[in-house]
Amino acid sequence: AQSVTQLGSHVSVSEGALVLLRCNYSSSVPPYLFWYVQYPNQGLQLLLKYTTGATLVKGINGFEAEFKKSETSFHLTKPSAHMSDAAEYFCAVSETGNQFYFGTGTSLTVIP
Amino acid sequence: DAEITQSPRHKITETGRQVTLACHQTWNHNNMFWYRQDLGHGLRLIHYSYGVQDTNKGEVSDGYSVSRSNTEDLPLTLESAASSQTSVYFCASSDGRWHGYTFGSGTRLTVV
Repeated sequence: AQSVTQLGSHVSVSEGALVLLRCNYSSSVPPYLFWYVQYPNQGLQLLLKYTTGATLVKGINGFEAEFKKSETSFHLTKPSAHMSDAAEYFCAVSETGNQFYFGTGTSLTVIP
Repeated sequence: DAEITQSPRHKITETGRQVTLACHQTWNHNNMFWYRQDLGHGLRLIHYSYGVQDTNKGEVSDGYSVSRSNTEDLPLTLESAASSQTSVYFCASSDGRWHGYTFGSGTRLTVV
């Protein structure tokens, strides 16, 4: 069965500090992994995805994530947080490409 | 440009009433999904469809129904609205080829 665990429902960082949002997954086959961002009162937008190939993937707004099979992880990072990064972030896994399973989300607060 | 639209954006209804939330996409995607988003639960799948005349139950389908008569639309019906169905509802679509979901902007439903 597929599932996603996001450690930390709330994360606070200072502006300019490293952002690290954690995601661990469970999958019986090589998974396809996604990060979505949701700004207040908006729908979810695709931030980045891992399907095949290079395990370090880059997304929009300076975010990147690394697929680590041995750790079953797909953590999201950004070297320097910006105020505009404040949002809810969701990790998702899919085995088939047809249906995705989402984590419960991490709310990121950026402190000026 | 292709898009996915939900209507209405906000809805207040009374307990026991039937309510239908609309979802329309012009991506020509075969796959369409309905999720509800609640604090502490993230996104939970209500119903989904992989094509015309195909519908499937998700993890929280009780009290909801969908029908798929064409590629573009997947309306979500609450047969008899309950206060527990107060939530934000998101529609999503995908082509099932690892591109991820495209989400609508959501409908905030309040049942009083």
